[in-house]
Amino acid sequence: DADVTQTPRNRITKTGKRIMLECSQTKGHDRMYWYRQDPGLGLRLIYYSFDVKDINKGEISDGYSVSRQAQAKFSLSLESAIPNQTALYFCATSETFTDPDTQYFGPGTRLTVL
Amino acid sequence: QKEVEQDPGPLSVPEGAIVSLNCTYSNSAFQYFMWYRQYSRKGPELLMYTYSSGNKEDGRFTAQVDKSSKYISLFIRDSQPSDSATYLCAMSLNSGGYQKVTFGTGTKLQVIP
Repeated sequence: DADVTQTPRNRITKTGKRIMLECSQTKGHDRMYWYRQDPGLGLRLIYYSFDVKDINKGEISDGYSVSRQAQAKFSLSLESAIPNQTALYFCATSETFTDPDTQYFGPGTRLTVL
Repeated sequence: QKEVEQDPGPLSVPEGAIVSLNCTYSNSAFQYFMWYRQYSRKGPELLMYTYSSGNKEDGRFTAQVDKSSKYISLFIRDSQPSDSATYLCAMSLNSGGYQKVTFGTGTKLQVIP
């Protein structure tokens, strides 16, 4: 079984709809991350969480929100989806206090906003 | 100017060739230099990392860091079709108690049998 799972794997939605992407991990890691990947722009950090009570904005958090329901679960929400949020979204985890901060990625969610 | 620059490719080579993948960066505070490999429809996975300058070898893969030139490379010897993937460089620095990671855009590699 995969250590980091994401649901759904693919999603097509319409402008203005609320969307939730979910991430679960069995690695026992405290740190979790949400990235989006776009051609030519690479991986960009949306939000990160160091534990259940610690959530931080990344470089591109506008239009997104997150919820850390438990150590193993980290959800990303698009409150009102817009077409330029069409991208590949990845969840990642890492252990606390390791050098380097090796991140373990899920398989990704391909989101299309029409 | 992006902090990390990487040629997107695609790079197409015959099986058995030596592959050279490169990144340049602008922030001299970067401490760890990493290479991630991403297969199609998969998430990236860490291939290898180097701390500060120098070389590191792992089987057919060699990572090289030149901090004076702000240039890092990944060499793949005797390339195989299974090496076909996108390779992302990544660099990290200590920021407020955690390692802030910046990724390159990735270079797509195809190894032709």
